[in-house]
Amino acid sequence: DGGITQSPKYLFRKEGQNVTLSCEQNLNHDAMYWYRQDPGQGLRLIYYSQIVNDFQKGDIAEGYSVSREKKESFPLTVTSAQKNPTAFYLCASTTNFFVNEQFFGPGTRLTVL
Amino acid sequence: AQTVTQSQPEMSVQEAETVTLSCTYDTSESDYYLFWYKQPPSRQMILVIRQEAYKQQNATENRFSVNFQKAAKSFSLKISDSQLGDAAMYFCAYRGLGGDGGSQGNLIFGKGTKLSVKP
Repeated sequence: DGGITQSPKYLFRKEGQNVTLSCEQNLNHDAMYWYRQDPGQGLRLIYYSQIVNDFQKGDIAEGYSVSREKKESFPLTVTSAQKNPTAFYLCASTTNFFVNEQFFGPGTRLTVL
Repeated sequence: AQTVTQSQPEMSVQEAETVTLSCTYDTSESDYYLFWYKQPPSRQMILVIRQEAYKQQNATENRFSVNFQKAAKSFSLKISDSQLGDAAMYFCAYRGLGGDGGSQGNLIFGKGTKLSVKP
């Protein structure tokens, strides 16, 4: 089955630690995205990548980093510089950056202890 | 910069009745796409319906339809014959096609409307 997978579903981190969230897609989509969702808020864009080996900052990139070494994978690292990392993180992809709708993964809930 | 506003944080509807969720947006672009996404308790985002700004005809998907008013920059979602499974957060989203620098192609979301369905 084609789709987007995110792992883990729940993640706990101690303050000061970096943590990496996984996002994999087998839809052959070119573009991939990372969003953050907080209670009472819509989704806010962290980073996006239109093509392999290229990515751009979104609206709230500070404290996060990404890589796009393979078309299928777009991991997100939440660094210790992120002041308030507890949130729900969603990964998405699309076949056409400008036209088509984005398909979403099931999300990862990150909690900082 | 574009913005999307959903003025109803919560809505409630009786099963089998009809409900309309509101969305307004602000943009200087003439070409763009609008979407409604559903996020049930599982938190999986699901596309409900999409509308291309150049199309005057309102999009329809089974029990879901939109009222797209381009001049008023309004994009409401109507759910007919509401079902218990329609209970979810609904997000309106805008996607521009350019002319606004780095935001082109990215989705801009409203804050969502939580819909409850009463049996």
